[in-house]
Amino acid sequence: EVQLVESGGGLVQPGGSLRLSCAASGFTVSDGYMSWVRQAPGKGLEWVSVVDSVDNTKYADSVKGRLTISRDPSENTLYLQMNSLRPEDTAVYFCAAKLRHALDVWGKGTTVTVSS
Amino acid sequence: QSVLTQPPSVSGAPGQRVTISCTGSSSNIGANYDVHWYQQFPGTAPKLLIYNNNNRPSGVPDRFSGSKSGTSASLVITGLQAEDEADYYCQSYDSSLSGLGVFGGGTKLTVL
Repeated sequence: EVQLVESGGGLVQPGGSLRLSCAASGFTVSDGYMSWVRQAPGKGLEWVSVVDSVDNTKYADSVKGRLTISRDPSENTLYLQMNSLRPEDTAVYFCAAKLRHALDVWGKGTTVTVSS
Repeated sequence: QSVLTQPPSVSGAPGQRVTISCTGSSSNIGANYDVHWYQQFPGTAPKLLIYNNNNRPSGVPDRFSGSKSGTSASLVITGLQAEDEADYYCQSYDSSLSGLGVFGGGTKLTVL
């Protein structure tokens, strides 16, 4: 069964760091177009970052220079390193993958709260 | 504010047909980028509903259909059911956003 499971969310103070993980099963993260999408409380979806099959990465302007997407084929896991966190980064962070079309596999999300 | 504009809300009675619009510009939908649609229930992850403008993934009822024309796209739901009450998001790409995907602001569908 194809599945994504996120972890690593929590409460962090402004300026702090977190690393989110997204463990994949049923497919290989290194083969795919992998993304992080976030949703602030009561708001819509925001595409945060993507890494493609040849390791090109892209970031939303709002997170550029603070968030870094990466993947570990040996762990079959996608990561999002989050530094210099701000209150506006508070959101549910979803890991999503394009296996065949668009973003056709999603994890259930992990919640990040940035607050003092 | 997203580059893809959706109505904040739409509603319809059971059995009716509703349309959710997604309006873009010449740098996204009008630049021939495909449009995808996602359905999201409260507290859950989005689910792919329509891909590449008008295609349904396996398991999605044929009551859901999509179309695209010019700088806009639409999601049509026919034979509305109570279980369709959810948030719906369009998604495409924009040449001004360094290749990252972009979502519409989302539309809350209420079944009356």
